[in-house]
Amino acid sequence: EDQVTQSPEALRLQEGESSSLNCSYTVSGLRGLFWYRQDPGKGPEFLFTLYSAGEEKEKERLKATLTKKESFLHITAPKPEDSATYLCAVQEVGGASKIIFGSGTRLSIRP
Amino acid sequence: EAQVTQNPRYLITVTGKKLTVTCSQNMNHEYMSWYRQDPGLGLRQIYYSMNVEVTDKGDVPEGYKVSRKEKRNFPLILESPSPNQTSLYFCASTGQLGTEAFFGQGTRLTVV
Repeated sequence: EDQVTQSPEALRLQEGESSSLNCSYTVSGLRGLFWYRQDPGKGPEFLFTLYSAGEEKEKERLKATLTKKESFLHITAPKPEDSATYLCAVQEVGGASKIIFGSGTRLSIRP
Repeated sequence: EAQVTQNPRYLITVTGKKLTVTCSQNMNHEYMSWYRQDPGLGLRQIYYSMNVEVTDKGDVPEGYKVSRKEKRNFPLILESPSPNQTSLYFCASTGQLGTEAFFGQGTRLTVV
């Protein structure tokens, strides 16, 4: 069965304290892995798409990496405004428009 | 501005009273989906559509209906809502498979 598991469920960091969020997935063939940011009461906002193992993408303090079984979202020197829930999702080859989301990691950055 | 618009944003209704949540996108996207989001369960796909008149069930379709008569619109219909359908609902659209989805602002539904 296709699965997406994110860890940790919640993470509290001090401003400037770098860390990583994990997304492990099980699909028969990966069409794409997505990272989204979600603020309370709002819709998810797209961050990155990764397509193949070894691929990396960066945006400001965020960097996403991909292996054959997992993806990491690295946060370097975070600021309080980076506080949000980060969602990982995968789309399988041949899976039409079906996307499977993980439960997310709630990130809180203390000033 | 590219956007996905859902209405209403908030809705409180009673058990059994039919309701429709509208969703419209202005990006000419072929793919549209409905999700519900519940604490601890994340986003779960209810239905999706690959084009006009083409829809298919997601992971949690029971109690919901959809239609896609026009490319831009994808309404979610609850024929007889029940309290277990109380949730936060999101509509999303995608231009091509394997590309990012654009989400609406969400509809918070409470069924009493």
